[in-house]
Amino acid sequence: DAGVTQSPTHLIKTRGQHVTLRCSPISGHKSVSWYQQVLGQGPQFIFQYYEKEERGRGNFPDRFSARQFPNYSSELNVNALLLGDSALYLCASSKQGGQTNYGYTFGSGTRLTVV
Amino acid sequence: AQSVAQPEDQVNVAEGNPLTVKCTYSVSGNPYLFWYVQYPNRGLQFLLKYITGDNLVKGSYGFEAEFNKSQTSFHLKKPSALVSDSALYFCAVRDIRYSNASKIIFGSGTRLSIQP
Repeated sequence: DAGVTQSPTHLIKTRGQHVTLRCSPISGHKSVSWYQQVLGQGPQFIFQYYEKEERGRGNFPDRFSARQFPNYSSELNVNALLLGDSALYLCASSKQGGQTNYGYTFGSGTRLTVV
Repeated sequence: AQSVAQPEDQVNVAEGNPLTVKCTYSVSGNPYLFWYVQYPNRGLQFLLKYITGDNLVKGSYGFEAEFNKSQTSFHLKKPSALVSDSALYFCAVRDIRYSNASKIIFGSGTRLSIQP
């Protein structure tokens, strides 16, 4: 079975531009979460979606948005990019939408560089 | 507030020696704790978790972690280190404030370097 897949793997954007990152969860998983990992730090929670509904939102500005599709894949959108948005964006999937006792399965991430 | 702390940015161990990567936690209620590993240019891989039960938790790749409630610690251990264990290790705790969501709070990470 395929794991969590993310695309693209690397991306370079200019300040002020918009970016869309994509994630496909493990087959049978209905929840997708997004994390931002800035170099030298631990991942920070951005969003969780379950059954196409937002279940949780971290402390990120409104420039960050996401959605989940009927096939449970997800997109993370970031508008008006800032240099500080440069990071590894990780997608994670899980079977449940609520509290999980099993942690997540993470994808390999999308490395976003804003110049 | 829920949080975890990893006091060491880097740990250096000789191959074959035992290793310990430290983690302390601060939670209200029962802690749900995790360890993840990250290899260069890769995502996070789940190693092990503590939910309840035995204080010594066994995980992947020969790793184990010891839960100590009195010291609020959840240190990662391995009896004999391998060069291939060199990676970035994250301790994490489930954020119980989100009753209807699954959010994990990560520590800042510890870089483990195993010398041959």
